Amino acid sequence: ETGVTQSPTHLIKTRGQQVTLRCSSQSGHNTVSWYQQALGQGPQFIFQYYREEENGRGNFPPRFSGLQFPNYSSELNVNALELDDSALYLCASSFWGGYTFGSGTRLTVV
Amino acid sequence: DQQVKQNSPSLSVQEGRISILNCDYTNSMFDYFLWYKKYPAEGPTFLISISSIKDKNEDGRFTVFLNKSAKHLSLHIVPSQPGDSAVYFCAASDGDKIIFGKGTRLHILP
Repeated sequence: ETGVTQSPTHLIKTRGQQVTLRCSSQSGHNTVSWYQQALGQGPQFIFQYYREEENGRGNFPPRFSGLQFPNYSSELNVNALELDDSALYLCASSFWGGYTFGSGTRLTVV
Repeated sequence: DQQVKQNSPSLSVQEGRISILNCDYTNSMFDYFLWYKKYPAEGPTFLISISSIKDKNEDGRFTVFLNKSAKHLSLHIVPSQPGDSAVYFCAASDGDKIIFGKGTRLHILP
């Protein structure tokens, strides 16, 4: 079985810039969720997509947006980056409750 | 190739008894291990962690045991309560990335 792949693995951006993170879902999984894990904290739920539509969102501002494509891969876009956006971003694909996590993209905002 | 394996997709335990969730890993570079609990439509919540220099860490009803020679860790919940019904993820980190298992769904029976 294929796993969940996230790209890039590491990224450095400047405050105010925009960033796009990518996630390929496990084959057959139609739901993808994104999480932000700041240093020393647990993953915080950003949003979830099911069949290309957002169907759940955590407490994150609108500058965090996403897309899910027909092949169920997805993107997380963050506009107007702030220093506090520095974190590990995780995506997980799921199907009927079985989850597969990617290993994350470490974003550093300077 | 799964680096972190939770071989039991689900587990049912009587309320008041001990719940034991198991996790195996393959990468000897992992030096920090974590357990997360997840309710539907929420992000994983950090439960308890253990460093590779220890073999046991206890926090209230939750105890994590690490057997480095066997590359195995387990989470014990005593006594099990109805609110413990959730999906539990084992995760391992080498300081650079974090790898999650697929989760074990725990059902606490009345």
